[in-house]
Amino acid sequence: DAGVIQSPRHEVTEMGQEVTLRCKPISGHNSLFWYRQTMMRGLELLIYFNNNVPIDDSGMPEDRFSAKMPNASFSTLKIQPSEPRDSAVYFCASSDRLANYGYTFGSGTRLTVV
Amino acid sequence: KQEVTQIPAALSVPEGENLVLNCSFTDSAIYNLQWFRQDPGKGLTSLLLIQSSQREQTSGRLNASLDKSSGRSTLYIAASQPGDSATYLCAPPYDRSGGGADGLTFGKGTHLIIQP
Repeated sequence: DAGVIQSPRHEVTEMGQEVTLRCKPISGHNSLFWYRQTMMRGLELLIYFNNNVPIDDSGMPEDRFSAKMPNASFSTLKIQPSEPRDSAVYFCASSDRLANYGYTFGSGTRLTVV
Repeated sequence: KQEVTQIPAALSVPEGENLVLNCSFTDSAIYNLQWFRQDPGKGLTSLLLIQSSQREQTSGRLNASLDKSSGRSTLYIAASQPGDSATYLCAPPYDRSGGGADGLTFGKGTHLIIQP
């Protein structure tokens, strides 16, 4: 398996623009997680899905953030409009929760909002 | 809410030493605990996964133990090498719903430097 695939690897955008981050989980994993990492706050859970259904989005910082999982092999995290304080590394992870497997992380998307 | 503390926050030692990294967590209702390493500017690499029914797990020079009742886990690194330099993160998932897996809660990590 190719692991969890995230795109793009790097994104630089201007304040106010819409940003869409993409994630393809490991095939067969039924849970998908979006995390954000900053120097100040470390790794924070934003939202997660089980069987394509959002379970907990309490970590989403503002209404400007939204996430979807239209099918088992694809998820997006959208920021509209983006702000400089959204600059961070965004990670996607997947897990097979039924078998209590561990979590596998993607390589992350480094977002810079100028 | 799960809270995770990792001690020490940073550690710099000469190569060859045996090391112990500590992790404590507040909510013992976990079903497993995972240790990761993160190299600068990179993603998270899973090192070891310990199920709640296990007490320890070994992979090469790494050994992780879990004491669920006391809310503690340790990562032991034997014969450390410069390539072990990274940030080590412990992550116990908390089972809020009682129905199984939830998101991971991370500590701040231990920043490890192994001097050649």
